[in-house]
Formats: sequence, structure tokens, C-alpha cells
Amino acid sequence: DAGVIQSPRHEVTEMGQEVTLRCKPISGHDYLFWYRQTMMRGLELLIYFNNNVPIDDSGMPEDRFSAKMPNASFSTLKIQPSEPRDSAVYFCASSLRQASDEQFFGPGTRLTVL
Amino acid sequence: GIQVEQSPPDLILQEGANSTLRCNFSDSVNNLQWFHQNPWGQLINLFYIPSGTKQNGRLSATTVATERYSLLYISSSQTTDSGVYFCPDSWGKFQFGAGTQVVVTP
Repeated sequence: DAGVIQSPRHEVTEMGQEVTLRCKPISGHDYLFWYRQTMMRGLELLIYFNNNVPIDDSGMPEDRFSAKMPNASFSTLKIQPSEPRDSAVYFCASSLRQASDEQFFGPGTRLTVL
Repeated sequence: GIQVEQSPPDLILQEGANSTLRCNFSDSVNNLQWFHQNPWGQLINLFYIPSGTKQNGRLSATTVATERYSLLYISSSQTTDSGVYFCPDSWGKFQFGAGTQVVVTP
């Protein structure tokens, strides 16, 4: 398996623009997680899905952030409108059968909002 | 949620040295995983170790769930071991601590 795939790897945008990050989990994994990593806050969980259904979105910072998982092999994290404080590395991860199972991380998307 | 404290926060090693990283948890360990984040930002799975001891090459890990801690041993360290080490535990979702920053010098 190719592992968790994320795109783009780098994104530079201007404040106010819409940003869409994409993730393809490992085939057969039931759980998908979105994390954000910043120097100030470290790695924090934003939202996770089980079988395409959002289970816990308590980490989503505000309404500007939304995540979807239309099918088992694809998820998006959208920020609209983006702000400079959204600059961070966004990771996607997946696990096999339970949220507490071993997680496998993608390479991350480095987002810079100017 | 469960709180994790990692020690030491920073570690500088000379190549070839051995070291031990520790994670203490506020509650009984449930599903612990050790990660290495390399200097390029990639998060690499090292061990999934809710309890017991595992070894993989120069690395080994021990978790004592009832005592609420886990240890990561690095033997004969190499410069490629540099990076940040995390040990999140999960009560339904992983909670990451601040990590241990490791620098291995040639």
C-alpha cells in the first residue's frame, strides 16, 4: 500500500482565499483523522471520521473550518476564508478498526496564509 | 482527557551514545504509540505498545500500563535519530504531548 496520501504538499495562499486540503487514507482503514501542528500548540486533533461519518469535531477551531469524507478513500479539509493564523502543517492519519488502533500518518500539507 | 508528560524535553547526544526517553501519563495507559518526527516533518511509526516490551533494531520500548509510563530506548544513536519523539495515548483519540527534541551530533 502507498500509505496515507495528502495533497498538496505545500500551499501558499492569501488571506481570505479558500483552501482545500485532500487526503486518501490507507485502503481498508475505517478511521480517518485530521491534525494540525503549530509551534505554539503542537499537534492537535481537529476531527475524525468512522466509516465516512464525522465522530468528533470538537477540535475544529471555528466555523471557517469544515471537513468532509464523501467516500472511504477520500477526505477534504476546507478553510474558508483563510487567515494568517491558519498557517500550520496539516496531517491526515488513518487507523484500521478503532480510533485507538495504531495510526499511520500522511506526509502533511504545509499551509502558509499571507 | 489523559495528560502526557515527556522527559527530558531536550536531549543532545553524541553519535554512538545510548539514551532513554520517558512518558508519564495521568491515567492508566490504554493504547500507546511512539512516533519519531524527523527534521523534514514526517511522522514515522516506531511502536504500537499498549503494554510489554518490543524491539526493532536499535530501538526498543517498554510500557507498564498500570504504572502509567512508557520508555523508549535508543542504543548506538545515529544522526538520523535526530528529531522529535512523541508518545500519544488514546482514550478514543490520540492526545499528543510536547515531545522530546533529540539532537544527535556526529
